[in-house]
Amino acid sequence: GDSVTQMEGPVTLSEEAFLTINCTYTATGYPSLFWYVQYPGEGLQLLLKATKANDKGSNKGFEATYRKETTSFHLEKGSVQVSDSAVYFCALSGSSNTGKLIFGQGTTLQVKP
Amino acid sequence: NAGVTQTPKFQVLKTGQSMTLQCAQDMNHEYMSWYRQDPGMGLRLIHYSVGAGITDQGEVPNGYNVSRSTTEDFPLRLLSAAPSQTSVYFCASSYSRRLAVRTDTQYFGPGTRLTVL
Repeated sequence: GDSVTQMEGPVTLSEEAFLTINCTYTATGYPSLFWYVQYPGEGLQLLLKATKANDKGSNKGFEATYRKETTSFHLEKGSVQVSDSAVYFCALSGSSNTGKLIFGQGTTLQVKP
Repeated sequence: NAGVTQTPKFQVLKTGQSMTLQCAQDMNHEYMSWYRQDPGMGLRLIHYSVGAGITDQGEVPNGYNVSRSTTEDFPLRLLSAAPSQTSVYFCASSYSRRLAVRTDTQYFGPGTRLTVL
């Protein structure tokens, strides 16, 4: 079945450092790919998404490119801030689009001043 | 729009008790889902619905029931609570498949933190 694998955390960075969180997936067909973010004590918010191969999703300085050849959707940010500290989830929605998301296990990011 | 709302925010139950977690959305979304979040395991799908009167099981459905009598509401029922059901529960909704542009972004509620003693 479909699955998502994320790099394990926690990831601890200094402010203004470069961030990469790896995400790879297994799916049949052409899934949509998502990054969701969860700030402490809150629900999940959509950070960015891509719906087809080679699409780049971007938001708030974060980027991720849908790479079908490597089945990856790595999250990057050039300069992180303390306010980026959160849990980041990679997820996919299958090509049948039945409203189901399959999540990775989440990666905790802590940014220190 | 209030978006996706969930009640209660916190709940403590004793083993064997039953309860219903409420979820409502005011965005006229057809698809609604329930997930549970456990440390180190991400979110796992419990049940989902593609429209009023239609529900199906997700990855971890045992011990939970759902029904969808209206487009707006999707309650989750715990039949006989067990400590293994201690978790944070999230409800989500997304657009109808009828839209011409594929928009499968899911919108999440704030969650219900459940503890079963």
